[in-house]
Amino acid sequence: AQSVTQLGSHVSVSEGALVLLRCNYSSSVPPYLFWYVQYPNQGLQLLLKYTSAATLVKGINGFEAEFKKSETSFHLTKPSAHMSDAAEYFCAVKREGNEKLTFGTGTRLTIIP
Amino acid sequence: GAGVSQSPSNKVTEKGKDVELRCDPISGHTALYWYRQSLGQGLEFLIYFQGNSAPDKSGLPSDRFSAERTGGSVSTLTIQRTQQEDSAVYLCASSPGTLEREGDSYEQYFGPGTRLTVT
Repeated sequence: AQSVTQLGSHVSVSEGALVLLRCNYSSSVPPYLFWYVQYPNQGLQLLLKYTSAATLVKGINGFEAEFKKSETSFHLTKPSAHMSDAAEYFCAVKREGNEKLTFGTGTRLTIIP
Repeated sequence: GAGVSQSPSNKVTEKGKDVELRCDPISGHTALYWYRQSLGQGLEFLIYFQGNSAPDKSGLPSDRFSAERTGGSVSTLTIQRTQQEDSAVYLCASSPGTLEREGDSYEQYFGPGTRLTVT
């Protein structure tokens, strides 16, 4: 079965520091991969998606993620954290032909002033 | 343009009562999804509608849960005889029915959710 693992349920970084949120997937074939962000009391917003066109994917708000097949990883990064990045981040996977998203357990990002 | 909307935003109900949650997808989107977000289970897929095809109900946790989509647009998720473990945020999403290009994937657009509390 398709699954995705997010390492670290809570991550804290200082404002201006590098943000690194980890996601590993298990799949027999390369899947479609997504990162979503959820601000308090709001729905999910797509940050970026990987669909095999390019291994380095740039998203909104300065975030990017790199698909590494050899490591089965799709980690999310941002060079310089901003206070407004404080939120919960979800990695999700989808298999071609199956439209449902399978989500990781989420990582709550806290930014330290 | 308008995004996915859901109503009510909050619902408190007594154990054993039935509830209906509504989702208005983005106009023109042919696919509609329901997910549930709870502390114990994280984000779980419930059901998926695509056009006039039979829905994928594989994520519904019990026969107390059902959903319909009328006219290919608005969807209602119904929970009968609610239980305390049904307390969660119910999220609806929609996506367009046409791939932007081969090898691409539909992007799902999420609504703000309905917070259901069963007392």
